[in-house]
Amino acid sequence: EAGVTQSPTHLIKTRGQQATLRCSPISGHTSVYWYQQALGLGLQFLLWYDEGEERNRGNFPPRFSGRQFPNYSSELNVNALELEDSALYLCASSLGSAKAEAFFGQGTRLTVV
Amino acid sequence: QKEVEQDPGPLSVPEGAIVSLNCTYSNSAFQYFMWYRQYSRKGPELLMYTYSSGNKEDGRFTAQVDKSSKYISLFIRDSQPSDSATYLCATHTGTASKLTFGTGTRLQVTL
Repeated sequence: EAGVTQSPTHLIKTRGQQATLRCSPISGHTSVYWYQQALGLGLQFLLWYDEGEERNRGNFPPRFSGRQFPNYSSELNVNALELEDSALYLCASSLGSAKAEAFFGQGTRLTVV
Repeated sequence: QKEVEQDPGPLSVPEGAIVSLNCTYSNSAFQYFMWYRQYSRKGPELLMYTYSSGNKEDGRFTAQVDKSSKYISLFIRDSQPSDSATYLCATHTGTASKLTFGTGTRLQVTL
């Protein structure tokens, strides 16, 4: 069974540009979570989608947005990129029930220059 | 104060040692507790998943939760060089809300 897949693996953008990151959850999983892991920091919660709806949002500016598609895949958009947005962006998926474990993909490493 | 506190290490131990990794948390609503292992430049891998207080064992790994003191631990027996990684504790309230992570402890197992 395929795990959580993220694309691209690496992404280099210029300050002010937009970045789009994609995530395909494990088959059958309806919840998708996005986290940012900057160098030296822990995983910071960005967004949670379940059944196509945004359920929760972390303490990030509105230029971080996303959506979940009918097939439960998701994309994260970061507008007006800033140098400090450089980080590993991790996607996790779960069955969506209260007790479900979350499984992570390998991440997209975004570098803003 | 962070909701989940974790000593960042690094923690260096010889091969074969017993490793103890710990986290404390402040929110008594946390019900589910997880340990993830993250190798450099990789995504976190779920190691252990426990509910409420008590112990859970899986091979060389034992997860322990003490809700009365808001303290969670991961023990690794007979540590191997392949265990060298960053270990992250995580928790959530059980309402399918976001996971809250510790900052991670970097473990180095030496030959």
